[in-house]
Amino acid sequence: KQEVTQIPAALSVPEGENLVLNCSFTDSAIYNLQWFRQDPGKGLTSLLLIQSSQREQTSGRLNASLDKSSGRSTLYIAASQPGDSATYLCAVSSQAGTALIFGKGTTLSVSS
Amino acid sequence: ETGVTQTPRHLVMGMTNKKSLKCEQHLGHNAMYWYKQSAKKPLELMFVYNFKEQTENNSVPSRFSPECPNSSHLFLHLHTLQPEDSALYLCASSQDVVAPSSYNEQFFGPGTRLTVL
Repeated sequence: KQEVTQIPAALSVPEGENLVLNCSFTDSAIYNLQWFRQDPGKGLTSLLLIQSSQREQTSGRLNASLDKSSGRSTLYIAASQPGDSATYLCAVSSQAGTALIFGKGTTLSVSS
Repeated sequence: ETGVTQTPRHLVMGMTNKKSLKCEQHLGHNAMYWYKQSAKKPLELMFVYNFKEQTENNSVPSRFSPECPNSSHLFLHLHTLQPEDSALYLCASSQDVVAPSSYNEQFFGPGTRLTVL
């Protein structure tokens, strides 16, 4: 059974720092991996999707990498801002049209 | 309206009530999902529908009854719920289960915050 773990559970940094969020999964046979952002009490915003054949994806200050063989992904946030404060969720799917399996998330707080 | 919408955004109900959650997607997708997010637990799948047919049921109790009348609408009918069912219920959609170009990227609605008294 696929399990997704995110470390750390919470992270506090001053504005301007570069930071890395970690995600690991137990079954390397994934179809894709998605990183989401969730603001308190709100739904999920898709940040990046990495296909199983890809190594990384970039969007603005965000860069996500995928090492499928080792079951790991990282989300790199450059020059963090207070507006980046949110919970970041990692999720994997085993094939198209099936459920995403989520980690518990990393709650990020960026202070000004 | 754009993206995935959910109504109501907040719902308080007693254990003997019957209510329904509604989800609508305006993305032209053919797969829709219900997820549940409880405090201190990972988001977990409840149901998946592809082209209006249910393809996954994650051992959800029968007090939750999904309905998918067409590819754009998804309902979750609730009856005789328990206080532990209080959670954020999230709907999502993706393009097509067999279209490789879509990469099955899932788009989420804002959720319905359900409180069962």
